[in-house]
Amino acid sequence: SQQGEEDPQALSIQEGENATMNCSYKTSINNLQWYRQNSGRGLVHLILIRSNEREKHSGRLRVTLDTSKKSSSLLITASRAADTASYFCATATTRDYKLSFGAGTTVTVRA
Amino acid sequence: GEEVAQTPKHLVRGEGQKAKLYCAPIKGHSYVFWYQQVLKNEFKFLISFQNENVFDETGMPKERFSAKCLPNSPCSLEIQATKLEDSAVYFCASSDPPGGVDYGYTFGSGTRLTVV
Repeated sequence: SQQGEEDPQALSIQEGENATMNCSYKTSINNLQWYRQNSGRGLVHLILIRSNEREKHSGRLRVTLDTSKKSSSLLITASRAADTASYFCATATTRDYKLSFGAGTTVTVRA
Repeated sequence: GEEVAQTPKHLVRGEGQKAKLYCAPIKGHSYVFWYQQVLKNEFKFLISFQNENVFDETGMPKERFSAKCLPNSPCSLEIQATKLEDSAVYFCASSDPPGGVDYGYTFGSGTRLTVV
């Protein structure tokens, strides 16, 4: 079953703008991961943040994690047309290691 | 780079027929996971393996679904007597260490199963 929720469900922005999406989850986690899925393709791992970390950067990506609120955000800066995709957060626990996915945010970057 | 290889990419089966999907995890990854994506945005966990042993099968509809990961062979997911509701994209992922704590999980490109 889905672990949590993401918002917004869909986001449309102009190239060069920033895109922010949020993810909430329900249970204690070991880490939270963000994935990208281009239309009709598999999932690509973007970034992982551990439960004892609050913020992490990777290129144009910035992820925050607030374990007290059980929430995370993904910021994509200076978006490009190639960033058009669905973005999913997924949490992993040390109990069973399976990923529980959010419902995803569909991002459209307009040229 | 290394990838998780899933075959076939597309599979069409008549209702009631058997479907078998394959997944070759990244060499050295000891954990394998199967997920089902029915609607565009919903992933359902099916089963996981630690090497050839079932680790967690809480997501598997056991009456028709079965899976194996045997040494020196691709992992497989088999659906007996497929139903229309089994139409989905099935993804395989592998990781090591477990939980993807260092690098996340590596997903295959999926097998799209269409039951007609």
